[in-house]
Amino acid sequence: EIVMTHSPATLSVSPGERATLSCRASQSVSSNLAWYQQKPGQAPRLLVYDASTRATGIPARFSGSGSGTEFTLTISSLQSEDFAVYYCQQYSNWPLTFGGGTKVEIK
Amino acid sequence: QVQLVESGGGVVQPGRSLRLSCAASGFTFSSYAMHWVRQAPGKGLEWVTVISYDGSNQYYTDSVKGRFTISRDNSKNTLYLQMNSPRAEDTAVYYCAVQLATTAEFFQHWGQGTLVTVSS
Repeated sequence: EIVMTHSPATLSVSPGERATLSCRASQSVSSNLAWYQQKPGQAPRLLVYDASTRATGIPARFSGSGSGTEFTLTISSLQSEDFAVYYCQQYSNWPLTFGGGTKVEIK
Repeated sequence: QVQLVESGGGVVQPGRSLRLSCAASGFTFSSYAMHWVRQAPGKGLEWVTVISYDGSNQYYTDSVKGRFTISRDNSKNTLYLQMNSPRAEDTAVYYCAVQLATTAEFFQHWGQGTLVTVSS
């Protein structure tokens, strides 16, 4: 099973600042990686797939990068609605696996 | 627009059975693979199982193999998860999700989830 690890577990950021979230895979997943955002009491929302392709309707301030084992989700200027938990997910191998998430909180 | 609505959650005793349903609309249900993903209280996301568009193939995470069964009725646009012999560790919100990409298993749309609590 491929283990996905987020860092940091919690990120404290002020509105308007840039946030950089990392996700590492225990073995290469090529570019088969997605990012999701989840707010309390809500289902996850797809942000990015294929490591760097924004999903439909996702604002341009969200960008994904990386390949192999190291991935990054960048939020260029945090808005109030962006404070949430972010998960990466690999779809290179079965079983599909998620990271434990990074919580982005207001500083 | 795509809509996925789960139902069937509740409290179930260990070792009993429960069936979850997911009613789909807004897309051609019979053309896409469907998944169940769960989230234990206060925890992260865990993929559970997938079924192919025509129901001919299924995969499961190891912890539910032999206990859970995924199925679908394309005539009713409905996905199911039969949970047999549930355990306390199966307590979670269960989401159904659709995989719109043919060969890439990520989830474009999710239901709102249904809570399953396994407790005596």
